[in-house]
Amino acid sequence: NAGVTQTPKFRVLKTGQSMTLLCAQDMNHEYMYWYRQDPGMGLRLIHYSVGEGTTAKGEVPDGYNVSRLKKQNFLLGLESAAPSQTSVYFCASSYPTGGVNTEAFFGQGTRLTVV
Amino acid sequence: GENVEQHPSTLSVQEGDSAVIKCTYSDSASNYFPWYKQELGKRPQLIIDIRSNVGEKKDQRIAVTLNKTAKHFSLHITETQPEDSAVYFCAASFTASGTYKYIFGTGTRLKVLA
Repeated sequence: NAGVTQTPKFRVLKTGQSMTLLCAQDMNHEYMYWYRQDPGMGLRLIHYSVGEGTTAKGEVPDGYNVSRLKKQNFLLGLESAAPSQTSVYFCASSYPTGGVNTEAFFGQGTRLTVV
Repeated sequence: GENVEQHPSTLSVQEGDSAVIKCTYSDSASNYFPWYKQELGKRPQLIIDIRSNVGEKKDQRIAVTLNKTAKHFSLHITETQPEDSAVYFCAASFTASGTYKYIFGTGTRLKVLA
């Protein structure tokens, strides 16, 4: 049981390049989330998914796209990277039950630098 | 929109003293309030959580209190130890149109001085 796994762990991009971050979970969780973490700003929600085939915008969705083609995978895409997207990205998953959310399990993070 | 405010942003305490971190939330539909600890270079991990039908919860040296009327909740750490040094995040989860959002505070960097 690996939990939540993110790929890659580190990446350097040039401005204008594109890339996809992969998040995989093996806990059969319905909900998956992408956050970015910047100094002094905590964890800000980019996009989230409530189940296979569904996605929704979070607090800071601009410049990012997501897809959830399989329940266990949640992909975060940057179509044209900008220096403002330099950040640490965390994926998380949870399993709301009985009308209440539960613990969010996090991946190990992806440190992305856009130059 | 939905918001979680967290204070203070940094907190230094002497080893053995208590530490208190406070959060307020904006959406009255929030019903789940977890606290996460993040050590340097690591992923956030849950340390304690509370649901909206409970006012207080304890787990050894840590406790969380919830005041639904005032829409704020607090983390209390007693008898602090150097290994408690980390960044702590509060969060609130609420339903919006049948889905569950998970919003975090901006974090508190706790330093326990030996």
